[in-house]
Amino acid sequence: QKEVEQDPGPLSVPEGAIVSLNCTYSNSAFQYFMWYRQYSRKGPELLMYTYSSGNKEDGRFTAQVDKSSKYISLFIRDSQPSDSATYLCAMSANAGGTSYGKLTFGQGTILTVHP
Amino acid sequence: DAGVTQSPTHLIKTRGQQVTLRCSPKSGHDTVSWYQQALGQGPQFIFQYYEEEERQRGNFPDRFSGHQFPNYSSELNVNALLLGDSALYLCASRGRNRGGYEQYFGPGTRLTVT
Repeated sequence: QKEVEQDPGPLSVPEGAIVSLNCTYSNSAFQYFMWYRQYSRKGPELLMYTYSSGNKEDGRFTAQVDKSSKYISLFIRDSQPSDSATYLCAMSANAGGTSYGKLTFGQGTILTVHP
Repeated sequence: DAGVTQSPTHLIKTRGQQVTLRCSPKSGHDTVSWYQQALGQGPQFIFQYYEEEERQRGNFPDRFSGHQFPNYSSELNVNALLLGDSALYLCASRGRNRGGYEQYFGPGTRLTVT
């Protein structure tokens, strides 16, 4: 079983729709939860990160973490064609120290927002 | 301020050959990590370098090795290439004692092994 599972989709929605992306994980040591956006032939770009459980909002994006269920979500409101990309969840353990920084990724969800 | 840069952009190698990929971290960053991203998959952690030493390693064979230079730039070397090594190789950098979430990724090097 993979440490992080992400529904690969693909997901196709009309412009203006609310998009929900989800990941589950098995490693209880994960403390930091990130969402990256990756356009074709580009490196991942950090969208949001959350520490431990709770919600975080940034513009049209909301990240939720439920550590009791080992489940994280990213919601995109009023989706735009420019949001079309692959979305990757990533997680990190080890708070502090030089070993800090290994990211464990889900396999990514391909999102297409059509006009 | 340049972000993370990688070279070359893409290359094609033959099975059994060796390859070296290069990465320059973002200005002010001293920790470099390498990831392998196969087509349709999320990136997989290869290893991390800090103070010119390998600090963490993922589940990759010894054919994968690296180096970090005094200016914090880094190289990833892969020996005895296999078809399965075809992937996008990503470099990520962060500042010392910064969190794992504060990593910046380069555009990647796309390696094709034939």
